[in-house]
Amino acid sequence: GQQVMQIPQYQHVQEGEDFTTYCNSSTTLSNIQWYKQRPGGHPVFLIQLVKSGEVKKQKRLTFQFGEAKKNSSLHITATQTTDVGTYFCAGLDSGAGSYQLTFGKGTKLSVIP
Amino acid sequence: NAGVTQTPKFQVLKTGQSMTLQCAQDMNHEYMSWYRQDPGMGLRLIHYSVGAGITDQGEVPNGYNVSRSTTEDFPLRLLSAAPSQTSVYFCATKKQGVKWTDTQYFGPGTRLTVL
Repeated sequence: GQQVMQIPQYQHVQEGEDFTTYCNSSTTLSNIQWYKQRPGGHPVFLIQLVKSGEVKKQKRLTFQFGEAKKNSSLHITATQTTDVGTYFCAGLDSGAGSYQLTFGKGTKLSVIP
Repeated sequence: NAGVTQTPKFQVLKTGQSMTLQCAQDMNHEYMSWYRQDPGMGLRLIHYSVGAGITDQGEVPNGYNVSRSTTEDFPLRLLSAAPSQTSVYFCATKKQGVKWTDTQYFGPGTRLTVL
């Protein structure tokens, strides 16, 4: 079955440093979504990427979808303490009739003030 | 609008007990699903439904039953709880159960401990 690998599992950064998490799928994806989960909270949708090579920005966050639609990345510029949490990618297999998103295991970000 | 609500927020069960986790949404979303979240394992899909009267299995369905009699509600039943089912359970919904996914909205979660 489809597998979505996410690295790193943990990342500790000083406030103001940049952060990147990477997501790789074993199969070609129809689209990929990114979620953020604050400690003790629930996942909250951040963005969806659909097109090959797509790049989207949300303030300090930059999301990329690979040309082959098998990988994606989330980059945060100049991290702040409000960025603390776990970031998940979730991909939809491009196979016919698939409704199931497969989540990566997440990258837990800690920001040291 | 309340969005996606889950009850209870916390639950402790003994091995072998049964219970139902409730999920309700007032967004008129067709698609509803249940995930479990375990440390280091991310979110794993248990069951999902693309509309009233339609359910299907996800990645980890064993030990769980679901039904979807209305658009609004999607309860998850544990028939005979086991310690391996200790987890945080999230209900999630999205507008349509189509191949191209919409934004998925998660409920606040139910933290279940099975002793």
